[in-house]
Amino acid sequence: GENVEQHPSTLSVQEGDSAVIKCTYSDSASNYFPWYKQELGKGPQLIIDIRSNVGEKKDQRIAVTLNKTAKHFSLHITETQPEDSAVYFCAAISGTYKYIFGTGTRLKVLA
Amino acid sequence: DAGVIQSPRHEVTEMGQEVTLRCKPISGHNSLFWYRQTMMRGLELLIYFNNNVPIDDSGMPEDRFSAKMPNASFSTLKIQPSEPRDSAVYFCASSPEAQVEKLFFGSGTQLSVL
Repeated sequence: GENVEQHPSTLSVQEGDSAVIKCTYSDSASNYFPWYKQELGKGPQLIIDIRSNVGEKKDQRIAVTLNKTAKHFSLHITETQPEDSAVYFCAAISGTYKYIFGTGTRLKVLA
Repeated sequence: DAGVIQSPRHEVTEMGQEVTLRCKPISGHNSLFWYRQTMMRGLELLIYFNNNVPIDDSGMPEDRFSAKMPNASFSTLKIQPSEPRDSAVYFCASSPEAQVEKLFFGSGTQLSVL
């Protein structure tokens, strides 16, 4: 069946450094790729998304890139801050509502 | 905007008891989702409602689970009888009609079945 692989499962970076999280999807019909941030005790929160007709999208310190041919997409966080520490989930959708979530990456930003 | 509101935040119950989780979606959103999150299985879609009608309940694990949406501002997820393997965080999420794929999650209910 469809799946989304996410790497790494944990990531520690020094404050100010960049963090990159990568996902690979299997369903070539996937057309929407959101990223969610989940802080302790809270629900996931959408932070950025990209559609299959776009290769890159940026919003301040975060950016997402998509390689449809390779079925890869990545989250880039620059100038990391302690408040970026959280679990990040990638996801892929084909159609309108059937999310396939990645397994999550626990990001720790060390002060 | 208060966001998606779930209650209770924490529920501890004994095996065999009935559990009811509650959700109030964001006003104006017409899609509502129930998800379950566990370490082993990650985030799983249990059921999807659109305009209060269940569209996809293929993720509901078994007959012990049921969900209702009697109106646009309220939904429940019921487990009867509960079992220890039901222990998880249950999230409700809603999304607007124009962007059904953009999920707004509540803070979840941490369920522990002893």
